[in-house]
Amino acid sequence: GESVGLHLPTLSVQEGDNSIINCAYSNSASDYFIWYKQESGKGPQFIIDIRSNMDKRQGQRVTVLLNKTVKHLSLQIAATQPGDSAVYFCAAYPHNNNDMRFGAGTRLTVKP
Amino acid sequence: GAVVSQHPSRVICKSGTSVKIECRSLDFQATTMFWYRQFPKKSLMLMATSNEGSKATYEQGVEKDKFLINHASLTLSTLTVTSAHPEDSSFYICSARVPGPGANVLTFGAGSRLTVL
Repeated sequence: GESVGLHLPTLSVQEGDNSIINCAYSNSASDYFIWYKQESGKGPQFIIDIRSNMDKRQGQRVTVLLNKTVKHLSLQIAATQPGDSAVYFCAAYPHNNNDMRFGAGTRLTVKP
Repeated sequence: GAVVSQHPSRVICKSGTSVKIECRSLDFQATTMFWYRQFPKKSLMLMATSNEGSKATYEQGVEKDKFLINHASLTLSTLTVTSAHPEDSSFYICSARVPGPGANVLTFGAGSRLTVL
């Protein structure tokens, strides 16, 4: 079955606000997690990744937090912009498997 | 940067015909490519792993005779949907790992939307 999943299918935020997208994973998930952004009609684009030996990793306007105790990771987007509107997927490699598995996805809508 | 290119981006075909989708790695060699399928408002589902010079590895429930995969060179993998039916209509996306730092990250093509009438 799925090794990663998401809490909410949709998230709507006001432009300029911060967005938090959550993802839960199971024991079968790997020690390496990736967040992808997929705009309508396009393939997923890499946003940021994190290994399990880290709790936090920051990129440009994005931060990924990993809580291994509760098997939860989140993607935080600062000062959300209309261009951030997309579906966001967390992904992982199940243990002993080279095939990346995706969570269900959260559709982020940014209201002007 | 490294790019994965898919062609065609959109294709409409009649039921019963076969459709070929190409996935190319530009500026890098990919011994392995991955084919995903995505239904509307759904996540990506791995269909098969394409291996250069050998048979593809299919996920459980994916018909290998229906979805023919050929990885003829280090830069090209093709997915052929044979005897297509309306239920095969979907968004097909290929991906590959770019060699070097960050090789665990999959780089995706732009996807190919198949509509079977």
